[in-house]
Amino acid sequence: NAGVTQTPKFRVLKTGQSMTLLCAQDMNHEYMYWYRQDPGMGLRLIHYSVGEGTTAKGEVPDGYNVSRLKKQNFLLGLESAAPSQTSVYFCASSRSGAYNEQFFGPGTRLTVL
Amino acid sequence: AQSVAQPEDQVKVAEGNPLTVKCTYSVSGNPYLFWYVQYPNRGLQFLLKYITGDNLVKGSYGFEAEFNKSQTSFHLKKPSALVSDSALYFCAVRDLTSGTYKYIFGTGTRLKVLA
Repeated sequence: NAGVTQTPKFRVLKTGQSMTLLCAQDMNHEYMYWYRQDPGMGLRLIHYSVGEGTTAKGEVPDGYNVSRLKKQNFLLGLESAAPSQTSVYFCASSRSGAYNEQFFGPGTRLTVL
Repeated sequence: AQSVAQPEDQVKVAEGNPLTVKCTYSVSGNPYLFWYVQYPNRGLQFLLKYITGDNLVKGSYGFEAEFNKSQTSFHLKKPSALVSDSALYFCAVRDLTSGTYKYIFGTGTRLKVLA
């Protein structure tokens, strides 16, 4: 099992450009999450999904959109990148139920110039 | 509001000594608590969790955590630290309010184990 994979691993964008980050999991998990990690701020939830075709906003959703057309994939889009979106982005997945732990991908390091 | 706090940005300990990484929480109802570890340039890895039952929870790599309801704490411990334990550690609590499915993470504690 590959677990949770993320593509790309690194990306540099110019302000105003758009891009999509792909997260894939092969564990048949119902729940998927996108976080951003910034120094001194821990992990902040951007968007999450509790099933195919459903998404919801997290703590810091502005400037991002998501889609979950297939159970195993969760896409994070930046329509018009801003320098404030420079961060490391992590995808995670988990089984349904409040007591299940999350499995994380290796991260995408995004720089917006 | 549900929250979790890690009061120490950094903890330093000598190899072979016991280590403690602190976590306190604030939730309504029973807490579901988790510890994760992040090695450089890697994603977070699950270490252990407390759902119910024994207050001392054992996890991966020799780590354990003690749940203390009266002090609302869930400190991570290891009897004998290794240099390879040096990493960033996150405490998290499951947000069970309003039917949400979110985890709330602390800001992380960087553990340095000195040889």
